[in-house]
Amino acid sequence: DAMVIQNPRYQVTQFGKPVTLSCSQTLNHNVMYWYQQKSSQAPKLLFHYYDKDFNNEADTPDNFQSRRPNTSFCFLDIRSPGLGDAAMYLCATSRPTSGFNEQFFGPGTRLTVL
Amino acid sequence: LAKTTQPISMDSYEGQEVNITCSHNNIATNDYITWYQQFPSQGPRFIIQGYKTKVTNEVASLFIPADRKSSTLSLPRVSLSDTAVYYCLVVRQRSGATNKLIFGTGTLLAVQP
Repeated sequence: DAMVIQNPRYQVTQFGKPVTLSCSQTLNHNVMYWYQQKSSQAPKLLFHYYDKDFNNEADTPDNFQSRRPNTSFCFLDIRSPGLGDAAMYLCATSRPTSGFNEQFFGPGTRLTVL
Repeated sequence: LAKTTQPISMDSYEGQEVNITCSHNNIATNDYITWYQQFPSQGPRFIIQGYKTKVTNEVASLFIPADRKSSTLSLPRVSLSDTAVYYCLVVRQRSGATNKLIFGTGTLLAVQP
C-alpha cells in the first residue's frame, strides 16, 4: 500500500546532540511537510517542501532544518536539541495538483531529549 | 485563515450519534471546512471536507449552514474505537498550490461502553 513512513518511531538524544529524523513516501506526492506536536497540543507546521522549493514557517526556530534529496525522502535535522524540543514529529504529504488538499500523515517519530 | 472554535472535550456512549460543532466566523469565499481525526500516538487522518450544505461519506457527515460560519461533524453510532481527537480546520483552496493546515485545539471525544 502507498504510504508515508517515518523512521525511527522513537528517538532518544542528548541535550545539544544533533539528531536527524527521516520520512519517506511511496505516494509520489510533490509536497512534504514537517509538523511538531507537543504533548496534549495540536500539530504545528514547521516547514514544507513543494517539489524542491523549501518553505519555512515564520516562527520555526533556526535550530530546525530540513533536506529533501529526492521526491521520496525528506529529513528533519535538529542541530542542537533542547529539552523543549521533545515532541512527536509528524511528516505529511499532499498532491495539490490533484485539486484536492488532503494531507497524508505518517505515524510520527517521538523524540526524547535527555 | 479563519480561526476555528470547538469544544475541548465530549463524552458519548457506544451506539450513539455524536455531533461536534465548530465555529469559523471569519471564513472566506475560497475556504473549505475539513475535519481530521487523530488517535493517540498516530498521525492525523483526513475524515471529510465540505464547502456548503451536506457532505456524507462512509465515516461521517458534515453539515454546513448557508452562512458557513459554523459546521457540524456527525458520527453515526460511535464505537469505542472512535475515541480520538477531532480537529476542525478551515483550509484555503488554491488550485496547484500548497494548502496549509493550521490545527486548532481539537475536540477529545471519549466513547464509553
